Amino acid sequence: KAGVTQTPRYLIKTRGQQVTLSCSPISGHRSVSWYQQTPGQGLQFLFEYFSETQRNKGNFPGRFSGRQFSNSRSEMNVSTLELGDSALYLCASSLLVDPTQYFGPGTRLLVL
Amino acid sequence: QQPVQSPQAVILREGEDAVINCSSSKALYSVHWYRQKHGEAPVFLMILLKGGEQKGHEKISASFNEKKQQSSLYLTASQLSYSGTYFCGTEIKGSNTGKLIFGQGTTLQVKP
Repeated sequence: KAGVTQTPRYLIKTRGQQVTLSCSPISGHRSVSWYQQTPGQGLQFLFEYFSETQRNKGNFPGRFSGRQFSNSRSEMNVSTLELGDSALYLCASSLLVDPTQYFGPGTRLLVL
Repeated sequence: QQPVQSPQAVILREGEDAVINCSSSKALYSVHWYRQKHGEAPVFLMILLKGGEQKGHEKISASFNEKKQQSSLYLTASQLSYSGTYFCGTEIKGSNTGKLIFGQGTTLQVKP
């Protein structure tokens, strides 16, 4: 089975812009979660989607949003980018009955 | 709610042993361990579901003390390939969210 894929792999944006990241889960996985990874902070949970519905949400401002499509692909959007949003954004897919996360390679976002 | 991992970083010589601890303030249903090599996505190592359970994976094993809400990852006779950042992901009892909360990570460097 193909793994989780994320596009793009790298992005450079400036403050105030918005960005959309894409994630395609492992075939058959209907749960998709997004994480922000920064040095020293570990993996900070953003949100999880299942069957096009947000099931869980982390403690991030409303500038961070996401959605899931009927084919389980998911997108994450960050509006009004801030310097502190520079991070590696990881997407992970899982089966509903098992929280084991299968991670994609991530999108590295740099905000200037 | 984020579990605390210790130590934050460890440097070993090949063949030496290491222990990484993960401690939660909440009662846990399960603990997952992941390893992330530099520039790569986190990879699932193992899951511990019951208090007292111990699991092994090559020379990497882990234990779960449900009463103490702690898990430990044991790396014996370390190899260069063990280098990376290790994360524990905890599933809190009664949360019914199926969501994992990750620790901040422990960076392991194995030197020749």
